Amino acid sequence: AQSVTQLGSHVSVSEGALVLLRCNYSSSVPPYLFWYVQYPNQGLQLLLKYTSAATLVKGINGFEAEFKKSETSFHLTKPSAHMSDAAEYFCAVSDSRASTLTFGKGTMLLVSP
Amino acid sequence: NAGVTQTPKFQVLKTGQSMTLQCAQDMNHEYMSWYRQDPGMGLRLIHYSVGAGITDQGEVPNGYNVSRSTTEDFPLRLLSAAPSQTSVYFCASRTTGLATTGELFFGEGSRLTVL
Repeated sequence: AQSVTQLGSHVSVSEGALVLLRCNYSSSVPPYLFWYVQYPNQGLQLLLKYTSAATLVKGINGFEAEFKKSETSFHLTKPSAHMSDAAEYFCAVSDSRASTLTFGKGTMLLVSP
Repeated sequence: NAGVTQTPKFQVLKTGQSMTLQCAQDMNHEYMSWYRQDPGMGLRLIHYSVGAGITDQGEVPNGYNVSRSTTEDFPLRLLSAAPSQTSVYFCASRTTGLATTGELFFGEGSRLTVL
């Protein structure tokens, strides 16, 4: 069975600092991996996805993630945080394009001036 | 672009009452699903459907029923609401077949409180 672990329920950074949100996955087959963002009182919006092409994936709003098979990781990064990045971020895994998506418990990103 | 539309956005029920959360999508997606979101628990899959007439259980199906009579609609029914069903519910859909990337498109959520 597939699963996702997000390290840290809350991450605090200063505006302009590096953002690093951690995600480790478990899957018996090569996975499909996703990062979603949720702003307050809204639905989830796709940031980026890995579907077995390039291991470094670029997404919207300056975010990117690197798939590392040896570490079973798919950490999300952004070089310089903006106040508007404050939101909850979810990592998700699927063991194929056709199967269901399993979500991590989420990481709340707090950005201070 | 409407995308995935959920109604109602807010609902308060008493224990034992029944209700239906509506979900409609206009993207001709075969796959539709329902998740619930609880603090510290992330999103957990309740039920899903890969096409009209086909439904299956997810991780937390107890207390919920679904049906899929059309491609566009996928209602979620609570037959006898319990306080443990207080949650935010999200409907999501995606394409299927060889062209799919597995990306889910989400509605804005329905916040349910059971007293």
